[in-house]
Amino acid sequence: QKEVEQNSGPLSVPEGAIASLNCTYSDRGSQSFFWYRQYSGKSPELIMFIYSNGDKEDGRFTAQLNKASQYVSLLIRDSQPSDSATYLCAAGMPRPLVFGKGTRLSVIA
Amino acid sequence: GAVVSQHPSRVICKSGTSVKIECRSLDFQATTMFWYRQFPKQSLMLMATSNEGSKATYEQGVEKDKFLINHASLTLSTLTVTSAHPEDSSFYICSARSGSDIGELFFGEGSRLTVL
Repeated sequence: QKEVEQNSGPLSVPEGAIASLNCTYSDRGSQSFFWYRQYSGKSPELIMFIYSNGDKEDGRFTAQLNKASQYVSLLIRDSQPSDSATYLCAAGMPRPLVFGKGTRLSVIA
Repeated sequence: GAVVSQHPSRVICKSGTSVKIECRSLDFQATTMFWYRQFPKQSLMLMATSNEGSKATYEQGVEKDKFLINHASLTLSTLTVTSAHPEDSSFYICSARSGSDIGELFFGEGSRLTVL
């Protein structure tokens, strides 16, 4: 069973703080990793992908990948109330993406 | 990013009827599309992989005769829920893989099906 595990939350952070979202995966063959954001009642939208060990930054978002530990994380700096959503971690390639159950983030104004 | 359009966004039907959902890639050709189902507060569950010009590949536990998938062109895949029942009520989302080596998925808007 190929699995992606996430803490379901909710994770509550105050506005302006750093939100840290974590994910582990079981399939060592996975080559690319994705973070999607899903607002309630909407479909997921891609935030970032990462495929090399280390950090990848895009604006307020930083994805971190550690293949030895099979661990992926997403940091959101200067969190805003509009960041409140469910964040889905996914692992893929060459297989179809496998999604975690998502972590619900709540940014408190 | 790539655009994937899904229609209808909401559909309500009576038990026993069939419902068709369309998924289109608007600005790229998608030889492969994926159909997911999501129940409230649950994760996305892959139902099937839709391959242009060939039969879809269904995940374990998904009834291929109930969820008919047709991928007749490089830009269109359809999912038909046949003889729908209330337990089929869910959020159905299609996606297409980009042509890049990374293989990121772009999702359609989703279709919320309610079976009365």
